[in-house]
Amino acid sequence: DSGVTQTPKHLITATGQRVTLRCSPRSGDLSVYWYQQSLDQGLQFLIHYYNGEERAKGNILERFSAQQFPDLHSELNLSSLELGDSALYFCASSWTGGDTEAFFGQGTRLTVV
Amino acid sequence: LAKTTQPISMDSYEGQEVNITCSHNNIATNDYITWYQQFPSQGPRFIIQGYKTKVTNEVASLFIPADRKSSTLSLPRVSLSDTAVYYCLVGPPKRSSNTGKLIFGQGTTLQVKP
Repeated sequence: DSGVTQTPKHLITATGQRVTLRCSPRSGDLSVYWYQQSLDQGLQFLIHYYNGEERAKGNILERFSAQQFPDLHSELNLSSLELGDSALYFCASSWTGGDTEAFFGQGTRLTVV
Repeated sequence: LAKTTQPISMDSYEGQEVNITCSHNNIATNDYITWYQQFPSQGPRFIIQGYKTKVTNEVASLFIPADRKSSTLSLPRVSLSDTAVYYCLVGPPKRSSNTGKLIFGQGTTLQVKP
């Protein structure tokens, strides 16, 4: 158990809909990273938050947004969903803002039908 | 993070030692080398990190030559359960105060056969 909690574990929704994925980092960790992993694809970095502030953006679509709240949990909002958005979405947390030791959650599997 | 190059895939048999090499020619002086393991449909798991020479833990060993332009992850006597994707990352050490992206490359898919 990494200590990072993601909910829900599975999500099935229709095209055009909007969903929210939630991530609770390990106790004491200030950084949260979000990743998308499509079937047989690598981990695509989406966005990084540190102590409530956005610190880095990757290939995140404009239809996607994220935020980190004062209690350090984070949410990833995906809107106007398309079939191609079906993927595993992982969040990871680390103590600081840039170190290479991060702890990953078990992911949310999103299926868009 | 510095760019890394590692083989796309490797095959091995149970009981063998597996060595996965990662090239990182542009490693910076302060960079560390970190390896992650990812099983299908699970999040990656940190397995080892080092700066130079050799690091060993209960899971693996990491060998880093003096010029630090490459590193080798060594898995002793692999089993079927070691079948996974292994990622090499180069960047700030644990608990660094730097900010940045945590970028994973394609990784090396290790297939262990009976």
